[in-house]
Amino acid sequence: DAGVIQSPRHEVTEMGQEVTLRCKPISGHNSLFWYRQTMMRGLELLIYFNNNVPIDDSGMPEDRFSAKMPNASFSTLKIQPSEPRDSAVYFCASTPGQGQNQETQYFGPGTRLLVL
Amino acid sequence: QKEVEQNSGPLSVPEGAIASLNCTYSDRGSQSFFWYRQYSGKSPELIMFIYSNGDKEDGRFTAQLNKASQYVSLLIRDSQPSDSATYLCAVRFSGAGSYQLTFGKGTKLSVIP
Repeated sequence: DAGVIQSPRHEVTEMGQEVTLRCKPISGHNSLFWYRQTMMRGLELLIYFNNNVPIDDSGMPEDRFSAKMPNASFSTLKIQPSEPRDSAVYFCASTPGQGQNQETQYFGPGTRLLVL
Repeated sequence: QKEVEQNSGPLSVPEGAIASLNCTYSDRGSQSFFWYRQYSGKSPELIMFIYSNGDKEDGRFTAQLNKASQYVSLLIRDSQPSDSATYLCAVRFSGAGSYQLTFGKGTKLSVIP
């Protein structure tokens, strides 16, 4: 399996621009998580989906952030408008939901976002 | 507020020594505990998980869980320079949704050759 796929791997944008991050979970996994990682705050859960349905978005910082999962193979995290404080590494992770490793979260390579 | 606490380090150990990484959590009802390793510039990867009190061994790694003390640790025997990384403790708190984890900020380990 290819693992969790994220794109782009790096994104540099200017304040006020829209940013869209993409994630393809591991095939067959039923839960998908979006995280943001910074030195100061560590790894923070933004939102997660179970069977494509958003379950908990309490970690989404504000209305500028939105996430969708239109099908089991694809999710997006959008920031509009972006601000310099959004600069971070954004990770997507998925879990199998069954089997011995049912709870294990498998992380994608991350998107390193820099907002100027 | 449900929290996972780790000493940020850095923790420095000589090659061949035992590295001991510690984690405390705030929710006594927590059921699932995970240790992830994250190399600089890379994504977290699972080392092991533990559900029951006691020790769980996997190669050079041993996870120890004490639910009464709300404490989980990771021991790395025969530490190697390649073990130098940040180690993240993660907990699934009681009442959390499907496999939702709360991560500590991590302990940076440096193994000195």
